[in-house]
Amino acid sequence: QVQLQESGPGLVKPSDTLSLTCSVSGYSISSGYYWGWIRQSPGMGLEWIGSIYQSGNTYYNPSLKSRVTISMDTSKNQISLKLSSVSAADTAIYYCARTVSGNRVRGYFDIWGRGTVVTVSS
Amino acid sequence: SYELTQPPSVSVSPGQTARITCSGDALPEKYAYWYQQKSGQTLVLVIYDDNKRPSGIPERFSGSSSGTMATLSISGAQVEDGADYFCYSTDNSGNFWVFGGGTKLTVL
Repeated sequence: QVQLQESGPGLVKPSDTLSLTCSVSGYSISSGYYWGWIRQSPGMGLEWIGSIYQSGNTYYNPSLKSRVTISMDTSKNQISLKLSSVSAADTAIYYCARTVSGNRVRGYFDIWGRGTVVTVSS
Repeated sequence: SYELTQPPSVSVSPGQTARITCSGDALPEKYAYWYQQKSGQTLVLVIYDDNKRPSGIPERFSGSSSGTMATLSISGAQVEDGADYFCYSTDNSGNFWVFGGGTKLTVL
């Protein structure tokens, strides 16, 4: 059974870089699939951040692309998210999700982690 | 950018059919996906590729799509189906992967 678990600081200061890790169990991330990050906030709703494939190929939300880096550590079976220059608008629940290459869409999310709350505040 | 539009809320009595709509300009060419989120929990995929059910999802959940509108139907809705439901799809360029604003389903 594939499980995803997000982890990282719950509080980040404005202008700093937010760093989160997604640990995957029950499946080797080097075996396939994309792996993505999505966030949820009362103001913005659900917002896709980006997804990465085992080859390192990435897709990023155009509105966040300049601040986002997603990477994989296959030795640890983890996916990482870095979001730079954060502000209060980046306060959200951050989810990690397995991303499936769709038939008519580039990707959709079939398995989600429980999410981790990140607050941006001084 | 790209937007998917859902009604904020839908209410039905137990045993009735609940229908939640999602409209988007690219839906004639792109599949719609539906997620269920119960209070305080993570998201669960309930419909993929417009009308397919993942393993473990009850048969009362079904999906359809016509033109620029996709619909999630829950036949014989149960109190436990009360949750937020989100549609998801992409724009025609494939650059914008977006979710609808969500619909709160109340079954009472």
